[in-house]
Amino acid sequence: GQQVMQIPQYQHVQEGEDFTTYCNSSTTLSNIQWYKQRPGGHPVFLIQLVKSGEVKKQKRLTFQFGEAKKNSSLHITATQTTDVGTYFCARGGSEKLVFGKGTKLTVNP
Amino acid sequence: EAEVAQSPRYKITEKSQAVAFWCDPISGHATLYWYRQILGQGPELLVQFQDESVVDDSQLPKDRFSAERLKGVDSTLKIQPAELGDSAMYLCASSRNRAPEAFFGQGTRLTVV
Repeated sequence: GQQVMQIPQYQHVQEGEDFTTYCNSSTTLSNIQWYKQRPGGHPVFLIQLVKSGEVKKQKRLTFQFGEAKKNSSLHITATQTTDVGTYFCARGGSEKLVFGKGTKLTVNP
Repeated sequence: EAEVAQSPRYKITEKSQAVAFWCDPISGHATLYWYRQILGQGPELLVQFQDESVVDDSQLPKDRFSAERLKGVDSTLKIQPAELGDSAMYLCASSRNRAPEAFFGQGTRLTVV
């Protein structure tokens, strides 16, 4: 019921290629958060999306929230080796903060 | 820059022993979370506090795990007795009221042997 599903579980790209990870929920989300966890590190907050159809950009990262507020995506343009890590979406806000299983990104230089 | 402090960083314990982890959230953060993260998986919420009150502990194995935040500041997570399957990273995080961003500590890596 409160789970958020992420796909793919793993993604390996060549440096310079684009990368997208998707987050889906069976129920409407009040908001969605995205975190990045570097290898050996802890999750670090990237962004929160709240509005239906919202799109936010952070340099090469583009975050989208679906119109029905049941899905979200993170797109990285022209990946770099510094993008390596696991990207998690999480449902939160006034609800408990529940994480998806993440997408592990590896980048071949 | 303020950080969430956790100790110890690493803990090795024998099964059936008791183990405790400590977390000091960022000053002024009312919400505190304890997560368990098994290698290769996402953080699993164990317990969430709002000040000293438990907001959610539905995923906390209460037969062996306990958590407290007596004064609404720092928190302790205890496991007694530890089992082999408890080996994982235990992450603490905190956030301000009505603010989305959860700040994580470095975690405690528990190995049960």
